[in-house]
Amino acid sequence: QQPVQSPQAVILREGEDAVINCSSSKALYSVHWYRQKHGEAPVFLMILLKGGEQKGHEKISASFNEKKQQSSLYLTASQLSYSGTYFCGTEGSSNTGKLIFGQGTTLQVKP
Amino acid sequence: DTGVSQDPRHKITKRGQNVTFRCDPISEHNRLYWYRQTLGQGPEFLTYFQNEAQLEKSRLLSDRFSAERPKGSFSTLEIQRTEQGDSAMYLCASSPPGPGYEQYFGPGTRLTVT
Repeated sequence: QQPVQSPQAVILREGEDAVINCSSSKALYSVHWYRQKHGEAPVFLMILLKGGEQKGHEKISASFNEKKQQSSLYLTASQLSYSGTYFCGTEGSSNTGKLIFGQGTTLQVKP
Repeated sequence: DTGVSQDPRHKITKRGQNVTFRCDPISEHNRLYWYRQTLGQGPEFLTYFQNEAQLEKSRLLSDRFSAERPKGSFSTLEIQRTEQGDSAMYLCASSPPGPGYEQYFGPGTRLTVT
């Protein structure tokens, strides 16, 4: 089942913060976060694994609540380059690597 | 590390024709995934390989879709008798062996069926 992302869209000024949420109704092994700019491929940002391990870019932070099957991506001191659509991809407990992506959150950062 | 490459980048075809796309993963990655993405939606899983073995195929895929990875390196995705509803971006991704690894996406092949 597709995870649900919120909000659907957000507009920020440079330097402001944002939080994007991802919620699943199924038990998860991992949550992956990607950013996609128009006409480009998704770019990996962060992976959060069951048990607490995280891997990702230094300037990106995220959390994973295993009990609630929820993840949040924290964007702080936003820059113009943060604009794009953010997707969470969830991997079920079978950990095959197969990702089910949410519908996306569009972020626009203005000067 | 040259990244994941896909060919062609764009394909326009007439309804009813067959098309084939190629994906070259990152060389040391043994897992390869195909996704389809339509405008305004997240990528949708189609199928995945571990080495040359196709381990899962989406139930959403009709029999017109087939994928191969003959030597565990590059992969091809073929769509037979294309329909207008097949118009989408077809994305390939690869990852290292084992669970809990990030997937790296290629630039995609944009298919337009007229």
